[in-house]
Amino acid sequence: QITLKESGPTLVKPTQTLTLTCTFSGFSLTTSGVGVGWIRQPPGKALEWLALIYWDDDKRYSPSLKSRLTITKDTSKNQVVLTMTNMDPVDTATYYCAHGGAIFDYWGQGTLVTVSS
Amino acid sequence: DIQMTQSPSTLSASVGDRVTITCRASQSISNWLAWYQQKPGKAPNLLIYRASNLDSGVPSRFSGSGSGTEFTLTISSLQPDDFATYYCQQYDSYSPYTFGQGTKLEIK
Repeated sequence: QITLKESGPTLVKPTQTLTLTCTFSGFSLTTSGVGVGWIRQPPGKALEWLALIYWDDDKRYSPSLKSRLTITKDTSKNQVVLTMTNMDPVDTATYYCAHGGAIFDYWGQGTLVTVSS
Repeated sequence: DIQMTQSPSTLSASVGDRVTITCRASQSISNWLAWYQQKPGKAPNLLIYRASNLDSGVPSRFSGSGSGTEFTLTISSLQPDDFATYYCQQYDSYSPYTFGQGTKLEIK
């Protein structure tokens, strides 16, 4: 049974760096073809694909956010970490992590991050 | 980036209706298209991949078709559980793997 869960701060101040952790079970990020991605959704708006890391440490980023994002994995802890620098109120969203290579078949419950001073 | 445009943005229908949602890509994506269903306050749920393949456990009233730049998601007979927002996602080109803007399916 595959599960994922996001954790991190619910409130960050503008200009701060956001660090989110995705802790997963039921699969290994050392298995060929496996990836974990991050997707966000501002309140009432559409999904936005952010970043993806594969089993072989290949990393992909949204071009529009690439300068602000870093995705890493810790296979010993079954975790994937996303950092986003220079947070702004427009980054207020629910952030999801999900299992998949390009499409996502298992999702975490999401965590709402509010950016406000 | 490849842009994905869904239509309509909102669709009102009744239980038992047959409904179709369209997703258009700004350039050809072959059949590298997925559909998700999202209910309020919940994470999206994968319905269809490779344009027409139902994910495990998805009811057969859902179907997908299309290739190139135009795709459709059809629900053959709407059930109460189907009222939700639907998103398409292209994964042909990492540009990135963009989502459509969503189609909200409402009860008429």
